[in-house]
Order: sequence, then C-alpha cells, then structure tokens
Amino acid sequence: QSVLTQPPSMSAAPGQKVTISCSGNSYNIGNNYVSWYQQLPGTAPRLLIYENNKRPSGIPDRFSGSKSGTSATLGITGLQTGDEADYYCGTWDSSLGARVFGGGTKLTVL
Amino acid sequence: EVQLVESGGGLVQPGGSLRLSCAASGLTISSNDMHWVRQPAGRGLEWVAAIGPAGDTYHAGSVRGRFTISRETVKNSLYLQMNSLTDGDTAVYYCTRRAHDAFDIWGQGTVVTVSS
Repeated sequence: QSVLTQPPSMSAAPGQKVTISCSGNSYNIGNNYVSWYQQLPGTAPRLLIYENNKRPSGIPDRFSGSKSGTSATLGITGLQTGDEADYYCGTWDSSLGARVFGGGTKLTVL
Repeated sequence: EVQLVESGGGLVQPGGSLRLSCAASGLTISSNDMHWVRQPAGRGLEWVAAIGPAGDTYHAGSVRGRFTISRETVKNSLYLQMNSLTDGDTAVYYCTRRAHDAFDIWGQGTVVTVSS
C-alpha cells in the first residue's frame, strides 16, 4: 500500500486531455513539494514536473502540474500514443522521514 | 552529458550480500544529494537510501540495519551495500540525483534477484 494514492489506470483518446490525481496528507503533499515522473515500458523514470508545477528543460508544455491542499494533479493535453506510460507522483513525508511515491497510474492512449 | 551507470546486480541467495555501484559522469557525486530507489517487477517505486553532500546518510525503514549507502570521491561513485537479503529485496535498483526536491537524473538500473 503506497503512502500516496493514485488511480491504478486511466485511458483517453489521442488528442484528448487527461488529469492524474495524487492524494496524500498534511505530512507529505500538504507541506512539501510534489514531483511527477513518467516511466515508459522497460526504461528508467523521467522527471516531468518538480516543485509542484515546474517543468525541466525539454519537457513539453503539454505536461502541467498543480497542487491544492493535500492533493496534486498532473495534466497532459494533446495526448499522443507515445504518452502511454506509467506515471508516478512523489514527495517527502515528514512523519516517515522518507521520500515517498504514489502507486503509479498506467495511462493508455487509445 | 550527465550520466549515471549502475552495476553489481545479479542473482543471490536469501541471506546473502551484494554491493551495487553507480558511476557518475558529468556530475560530482560528493557535491550532490544522491539516492537509491528500487522497483520490484510490475510494481511501483520505493525509496531506499540517500547520502547528502556532507556525508549524512538516510535509509528506509525496510532496509535499515541491512543496507548501507556510501560514496567514493576519487572514483566519483555511489554504492549500496546490501546484506541479509530476502526475496522482498528483489527489484531493479536505480541510482538517482535529487535536485530542486525531485529526482532529476536517473541511471538505467541494475537488477537484483534474491532466490534460492
């Protein structure tokens, strides 16, 4: 059971928009930055969003992040088949004294 | 180009030991906040351990007392000494750098399999 809660799977058509949620509590998301990662099949995770809503260089603006209270959201617009991947949220948990991740959301673009 | 390359994974029997290495290029290990993150097959990411620029170390509760993170400045490398391994430690182990409170650089991973 992951500390952060994500929907296990989501699907949407090419060109559409999807939002992936990540729910926590005051010890983690509520008082810390959230980051998001994309993991394509058979590859290492890649950073998409840091400090809740900032994109590293090279990440297209189709990807966006937001945070409100103890929840965070990853948005992806103009879906492409290449966006099919697992997506993870992550943050620091002060009660556990550990970095924590969500269980991951498998995105299908069909 | 910044690159992290893990090695040292393999098959080990329960109760055995293994030492993982992570060689860095384009990045100085001792100047960065470095972590190990693992992922069992078909499952999510789990933080394992961290070492800060000052040499302070942190380990997840599930590995504390069994795993030890360390680094070697001359070789610009990160290590994870894993003892008393159990089948629950079977996973891909990634070396990663934390910057701006996120893991921005990842290695390709090394596979550890604990089985008799």
